[in-house]
Amino acid sequence: LAKTTQPVSMDSYEGQEVNITCSHNNIATNDYITWYQQFPSQGPRFIIQGYKTKVTNEVASLFIPADRKSSTLSLPRVSLSDTAVYYCLVGGKIKAAGNKLTFGGGTRVLVKP
Amino acid sequence: DGGITQSPKYLFRKEGQNVTLSCEQNLNHDAMYWYRQDPGQGLRLIYYSQIVNDFQKGDIAEGYSVSREKKESFPLTVTSAQKNPTAFYLCASIGDSNEQFFGPGTRLTVL
Repeated sequence: LAKTTQPVSMDSYEGQEVNITCSHNNIATNDYITWYQQFPSQGPRFIIQGYKTKVTNEVASLFIPADRKSSTLSLPRVSLSDTAVYYCLVGGKIKAAGNKLTFGGGTRVLVKP
Repeated sequence: DGGITQSPKYLFRKEGQNVTLSCEQNLNHDAMYWYRQDPGQGLRLIYYSQIVNDFQKGDIAEGYSVSREKKESFPLTVTSAQKNPTAFYLCASIGDSNEQFFGPGTRLTVL
């Protein structure tokens, strides 16, 4: 399973864009990149998933360069309620062998007024 | 509503006792997972199961046991062999979309 490295913490202000980069140098060909958000005392919540280039949904964008050795989660115009821990997860499709999904330490994002 | 339920939300245990945490899902997912989270830390994988009657150890399986007799259920037993069981326990399942769905968690405290 590809090991991931993220910054431990980031501070931002309301209305700004937050970009969190995750490094995954040994990502495998069939691995996808998934990001989760976790609030205190709650289970993580799926944000976005991608394989290459760019993926966008109603809450975030995910940028993946051609070599796929890193990815960047972009949160546009954050609000105080976006204060949370964000996890990057790299793994293959469930139907493939070895779908042991391991989380890294995550990035603690603090949004200030 | 489809989802994952965990019970109880809070659990207190005396040292030396075994306790079982419940995890049920009605999402028809094959794969289920148990994670442990300590304060200020990330999630660590305890056990996972890809199919009924089969499960594998995660990174911190010592002191824990699981069963997967039904697709919907994946209970976790914290045994007396687990030396520091006080933590937040999270159960998850995953389907074909590769998106993990998490339960609300059980906070276990050893008295």
